[in-house]
Amino acid sequence: AQSVTQPDIHITVSEGASLELRCNYSYGATPYLFWYVQSPGQGLQLLLKYFSGDTLVQGIKGFEAEFKRSQSSFNLRKPSVHWSDAAEYFCAVGIMNRDDKIIFGKGTRLHILP
Amino acid sequence: IAGITQAPTSQILAAGRRMTLRCTQDMRHNAMYWYRQDLGLGLRLIHYSNTAGTTGKGEVPDGYSVSRANTDDFPLTLASAVPSQTSVYFCASSYSVLAGGYNEQFFGPGTRLTVL
Repeated sequence: AQSVTQPDIHITVSEGASLELRCNYSYGATPYLFWYVQSPGQGLQLLLKYFSGDTLVQGIKGFEAEFKRSQSSFNLRKPSVHWSDAAEYFCAVGIMNRDDKIIFGKGTRLHILP
Repeated sequence: IAGITQAPTSQILAAGRRMTLRCTQDMRHNAMYWYRQDLGLGLRLIHYSNTAGTTGKGEVPDGYSVSRANTDDFPLTLASAVPSQTSVYFCASSYSVLAGGYNEQFFGPGTRLTVL
């Protein structure tokens, strides 16, 4: 069965520190990969996406993610976090040429210490 | 309208009442979705539609129905609300992969529903 795992429910980092949020997926086919961010009381906003090509993708707000097929991972990174990055982050996976559904991970809530 | 709108923003509803959550998009996306978001469970797909006139069941469809009479609108109906349907509901849309898109989904702001 298809699944997306975000191992960390909560992560706390200090402002200015680097960040890595983990995402692992289980699919038999070539996936589409996404990271979304949700600020409190808001809808989800797409941070970045991977469809094909360069496995290191750049997104908005200074985020990047790297697709590693051998590890079935798509981890999100940012070199220096800002207090405004405090939010919940969702990894999601879709199946290329299959259907329109994408599967979301359960999310990682990021807390920023001043 | 820019993007996806949802109405109402929030609603408190008595159990047993009928409720329709509205969703409208102006991006001419052919696929639309309804999710519910509950603490610790993430986003779960309720129903989806690949194109106007067709709908499909997601992970948690029981107690909900949808219709897709046109491209822009995708209402979600709770025929007889129960307390377990208390949740935040998100509508989303995308270009269908079946039509050559990449199912990058765009989300509305959500409807917070409380069933008492």
